[in-house]
Amino acid sequence: DAKTTQPNSMESNEEEPVHLPCNHSTISGTDYIHWYRQLPSQGPEYVIHGLTSNVNNRMASLAIAEDRKSSTLILHRATLRDAAVYYCILGEGGSNYKLTFGKGTLLTVNP
Amino acid sequence: GAGVSQSPSNKVTEKGKDVELRCDPISGHTALYWYRQSLGQGLEFLIYFQGNSAPDKSGLPSDRFSAERTGGSVSTLTIQRTQQEDSAVYLCASSPISSGPGRFFGPGTRLTVL
Repeated sequence: DAKTTQPNSMESNEEEPVHLPCNHSTISGTDYIHWYRQLPSQGPEYVIHGLTSNVNNRMASLAIAEDRKSSTLILHRATLRDAAVYYCILGEGGSNYKLTFGKGTLLTVNP
Repeated sequence: GAGVSQSPSNKVTEKGKDVELRCDPISGHTALYWYRQSLGQGLEFLIYFQGNSAPDKSGLPSDRFSAERTGGSVSTLTIQRTQQEDSAVYLCASSPISSGPGRFFGPGTRLTVL
């Protein structure tokens, strides 16, 4: 299985940017990088995904290293509602249907 | 529009009983996935449906677990002869196509086996 490595936890202050790192040194050429987050007592929520180029959407930005062995999810201005577990996941193989969730990073946002 | 719904939201059962968990995906979504999440753990993939067929059942932990999907819509996950280690939150997700990046997750069913 393709693996990712994330810090267990991170802390941020409200209205400051947050950079959540993810290492995926064994990524293969067809693997997409997906980010999901899970708020307390809820199912996971899709955040963003990318292959090679940096991506932006209304929720976040995804910066992908040139060698694709790491990526960073960027929340531009953290809010209290962004407190959640953030999962960095590789979509395995060409089909990309099987997403294996690890333990993720628990983000705490301080007021 | 309506999201993915799951029922029941909570289920408490006795060891050895059978349980059925239901998932109603978003209308028109052809792909459906079941995961489970044990306390403090990440999500564990169980099974994936494309339409009514299940190309990948590799995550089902034992032959006590089975799932079906009918009419390309509702799916039922059945656990026979439940054990205490089956206690977890069972999450269902759907997506428009199997290789699409966005999975829309339901709120989950919390199963407790006494």
